[in-house]
Amino acid sequence: KQEVTQIPAALSVPEGENLVLNCSFTDSAIYNLQWFRQDPGKGLTSLLLIQSSQREQTSGRLNASLDKSSGRSTLYIAASQPGDSATYLCAGGQGGKLIFGQGTELSVKP
Amino acid sequence: DAGVIQSPRHEVTEMGQEVTLRCKPISGHDYLFWYRQTMMRGLELLIYFNNNVPIDDSGMPEDRFSAKMPNASFSTLKIQPSEPRDSAVYFCASSLTGPDTQYFGPGTRLTVL
Repeated sequence: KQEVTQIPAALSVPEGENLVLNCSFTDSAIYNLQWFRQDPGKGLTSLLLIQSSQREQTSGRLNASLDKSSGRSTLYIAASQPGDSATYLCAGGQGGKLIFGQGTELSVKP
Repeated sequence: DAGVIQSPRHEVTEMGQEVTLRCKPISGHDYLFWYRQTMMRGLELLIYFNNNVPIDDSGMPEDRFSAKMPNASFSTLKIQPSEPRDSAVYFCASSLTGPDTQYFGPGTRLTVL
């Protein structure tokens, strides 16, 4: 059974810092890996989608990488801003479903 | 487009009562997903539909839970009878192409006393 784990569960950084969020999965038979953002009281918004044949995707200050062989993905946020404060979830696509991690709650202090 | 619409946004009920959560997907989307989010278990897929037909309901926790999609623009998730352990945020999501590109609604926060 696929298990997706995110470390750390919570992270607090000062504004301007570069940071990395980690995601690991137990079964490499995923066909993609997505990173989502969730703001308090809101639904999820997709940030980046990496297909299994790809190694990374970039969008603005965000860069996500995927290493299927090691079962890991990272989300890199450059020059963090207070507006980046949210919970970030990764999800592996497998068997027609998305399997979600528990999320990392990020707080960026001004 | 207004996005995925869920109602109610908050629901407080007593144990044993019937609860009905509603979802209106984005117009034209053929896929609809119901999720439950709790602190302990995170975000879990309960059931999803394609063209109004349930495809995978393996995540539905027990017979107290049921979901219907009578037409392309409306779905319900019903819990009868409700229990305190059902307290969670329930999300609905829709997609044009499948699980890869899902648009989430704002969720319904359910509290069962």
